[in-house]
Amino acid sequence: AQRVTQPEKLLSVFKGAPVELKCNYSYSGSPELFWYVQYSRQRLQLLLRHISRESIKGFTADLNKGETSFHLKKPFAQEEDSAMYYCALSLLTGGGNKLTFGTGTQLKVEL
Amino acid sequence: KAGVTQTPRYLIKTRGQQVTLSCSPISGHRSVSWYQQTPGQGLQFLFEYFSETQRNKGNFPGRFSGRQFSNSRSEMNVSTLELGDSALYLCASSVQGDGTEAFFGQGTRLTVV
Repeated sequence: AQRVTQPEKLLSVFKGAPVELKCNYSYSGSPELFWYVQYSRQRLQLLLRHISRESIKGFTADLNKGETSFHLKKPFAQEEDSAMYYCALSLLTGGGNKLTFGTGTQLKVEL
Repeated sequence: KAGVTQTPRYLIKTRGQQVTLSCSPISGHRSVSWYQQTPGQGLQFLFEYFSETQRNKGNFPGRFSGRQFSNSRSEMNVSTLELGDSALYLCASSVQGDGTEAFFGQGTRLTVV
């Protein structure tokens, strides 16, 4: 069974500092990895997915199959980045649209 | 275009009662998934419907059921409510296929007393 681990419940950084939100997964097949974000009082929304290789709002994430990781990074944190971040996994084939989520990391960007 | 709409937004029920939650997906989306979100367990997958058929099911008891209509709207039903069913229930819709982007609704906050 697939599993997603986000080791940090809370990550606090200063504005302008680099950010790295950790995500590790366990699945032997070919997963699709996502980062979802939930800003205060807003709905859960997709931030980025590994297959598109985009940079959204300055965030990037690289899939490392050797380390089974999909860490989210941003070189310079902004106050508006404060939110709850969830790493999620889906199967590329045969899995439908079932997402397995990590427990989430609350990012707090301090001035 | 309109996003995923869930109704009602808030619900208070008594133990033993049953409840039905509704989800209207984004137009053109054929896949609807349901998730339960609690502080202790986080986001957990309940089930997914695609073209009126249940395609995936999570590890929840049979009291949790759902269905999807021909217009892709979906309902989720919980029978014989327990205190532990208190949670935020999220619905997500996707175009189709495997591993596609899910768009989430605002959720229905269910409180069981």
